[in-house]
Amino acid sequence: DVKVTQSSRYLVKRTGEKVFLECVQDMDHENMFWYRQDPGLGLRLIYFSYDVKMKEKGDIPEGYSVSREKKERFSLILESASTNQTSMYLCASSLFGGVGEKLFFGSGTQLSVL
Amino acid sequence: GQQLNQSPQSMFIQEGEDVSMNCTSSSIFNTWLWYKQDPGEGPVLLIALYKAGELTSNGRLTAQFGITRKDSFLNISASIPSDVGIYFCAGQLIGNDMRFGAGTRLTVKP
Repeated sequence: DVKVTQSSRYLVKRTGEKVFLECVQDMDHENMFWYRQDPGLGLRLIYFSYDVKMKEKGDIPEGYSVSREKKERFSLILESASTNQTSMYLCASSLFGGVGEKLFFGSGTQLSVL
Repeated sequence: GQQLNQSPQSMFIQEGEDVSMNCTSSSIFNTWLWYKQDPGEGPVLLIALYKAGELTSNGRLTAQFGITRKDSFLNISASIPSDVGIYFCAGQLIGNDMRFGAGTRLTVKP
């Protein structure tokens, strides 16, 4: 089974802090994604990557950056955390892109910015 | 981008009842998928649909890809307590990202 592991289940940070959310997948998937989940808004795509050192902006990239130095690891970075970035963050991976790709999700990181 | 309207937002049902939820879009999709998120976990794929009109079952779950390619529904028959969670629809068009609905939160009373 595919395993997508997010390093923290809960994080509490202060406004202005730099925050790193880490995600690792163990199935040699090419593609990795970061979503945020907010009540009533569903899942919104922040950034994705189809290859090492490659990144593409999703729908809501403002205030975020990403890093993919190795195939199995995709990091989400909040350069200067703000209270409106309090949310559930979900990492996902898929074997291939395009129509019909099936996403495998991690368990999520609930981030609170105070 | 394409917007998905998922309804209902929440459902409170008695164990044993059937459940129906749906997703509509103003745009057409090539693929419809349904995911379930258990409390405290990430979403897990339930059913994937690839053809207009396709009807697919997975145990007590049945999903259909609308003939217009702009909608999909998911039915759950004879609900049980472990059906509790948030159900998301997702649609995808060739060359585009996957789009998710806002989710349907299902509560099953024993």
